[in-house]
Amino acid sequence: DAEITQSPRHKITETGRQVTLACHQTWNHNNMFWYRQDLGHGLRLIHYSYGVHDTNKGEVSDGYSVSRSNTEDLPLTLESAASSQTSVYFCASSERQLQGDEQFFGPGTRLTVL
Amino acid sequence: AQSVSQHNHHVILSEAASLELGCNYSYGGTVNLFWYVQYPGQHLQLLLKYFSGDPLVKGIKGFEAEFIKSKFSFNLRKPSVQWSDTAEYFCAVKAYSGGGADGLTFGKGTHLIIQP
Repeated sequence: DAEITQSPRHKITETGRQVTLACHQTWNHNNMFWYRQDLGHGLRLIHYSYGVHDTNKGEVSDGYSVSRSNTEDLPLTLESAASSQTSVYFCASSERQLQGDEQFFGPGTRLTVL
Repeated sequence: AQSVSQHNHHVILSEAASLELGCNYSYGGTVNLFWYVQYPGQHLQLLLKYFSGDPLVKGIKGFEAEFIKSKFSFNLRKPSVQWSDTAEYFCAVKAYSGGGADGLTFGKGTHLIIQP
């Protein structure tokens, strides 16, 4: 069955380190998204991609970057981790941009920055 | 930019009670509306969605929602809740502006607890 996976599921790192969170989908979807979930804020969009070599900034993109070298993967990189980036990160994908298309979410990565 | 407001952050109900969770959005153009559910320790799952047609949409597990365009609302309802409905519920909107849509804009969520 097609799915979307994230790794690692849990990560503890130190302030200033570079961290990369992986997202891999086997749906063959064009669109991929990264969100962060924080108590009291719901989910907020970090970056998204409509296809290979396409990336776009979302609402809370500062301190994060993504690259899309193939259809299946959209890794999220924290260039220099900060305590404010402690959060749960969700990757999502959708097939097209047509009305009614839903996003499918991965299981999440819980990141703690000490 | 669009925004989504969920009125109830914490709701506690007894089993068999009726449920209504409020959701309002701000955007003047074409929107798609979604309700997602997140059970404890799990990822988000789609409950239901609206993008056109009948404004009363039915989803999984007995949930339904009504899109009222004049009120910019998309409230979630269930006539009789079960203990297994304990979860976090998120309303989300996708706004369309000609060239396509960006990601979803989520409300802050409603934490629903069902007491046996």
